[in-house]
Amino acid sequence: TAGITQAPTSQILAAGRSMTLRCTQDMRHNAMYWYRQDLGLGLRLIHYSNTAGTTGKGEVPDGYSVSRANTDDFPLTLASAVPSQTSVYFCASSDSTSGGAETQYFGPGTRLLVL
Amino acid sequence: GQNIDQPTEMTATEGAIVQINCTYQTSGFNGLFWYQQHAGEAPTFLSYNVLDGLEEKGRFSSFLSRSKGYSYLLLKELQMKDSASYLCAVLDSNYQLIWGAGTKLIIKP
Repeated sequence: TAGITQAPTSQILAAGRSMTLRCTQDMRHNAMYWYRQDLGLGLRLIHYSNTAGTTGKGEVPDGYSVSRANTDDFPLTLASAVPSQTSVYFCASSDSTSGGAETQYFGPGTRLLVL
Repeated sequence: GQNIDQPTEMTATEGAIVQINCTYQTSGFNGLFWYQQHAGEAPTFLSYNVLDGLEEKGRFSSFLSRSKGYSYLLLKELQMKDSASYLCAVLDSNYQLIWGAGTKLIIKP
């Protein structure tokens, strides 16, 4: 199985432009997550979704929005990109059906540069 | 606030043993994870501890002391492919993962 795929692999984006980072999983996991990873910092949770149709804010949600129309897809949208959103973005999923202490599996990441 | 501390970087020799420490202060505790991340790649799961003690899995072992807010990852018989960053993460009372910044492990021949 493919596991989790993310697109694009990398992107250069002009400040003020909008962009959607795509994430798709084929493991039928109920929970999905978006993280950003910056040098010297731990992974920081942007948004999450415990099940299709629901979403929640993580530690650093400002400037980002998500939707979860179905189990497999969890796109992340930057409405108006700023240089501080330059980062590596990871999507992850887990089968958190009984309390959330399940392993998270990560996609390959999207490297975003905002100029 | 919530805090996960790990050394920024460690160096070890091929064939040797290395211990990577992690201390944490979080709002609640529902387990501790260790992940491996090679440069330019995604994190991959190594271990999960929720009870005190040592969990052994091949060349890798992970230890947890909840009373001390402390864990370590022990890597034996180091191989060059073990050169990577090792991420410690704690599942807090809201079942959200709080991540450390990671320890970059450099293996020398």
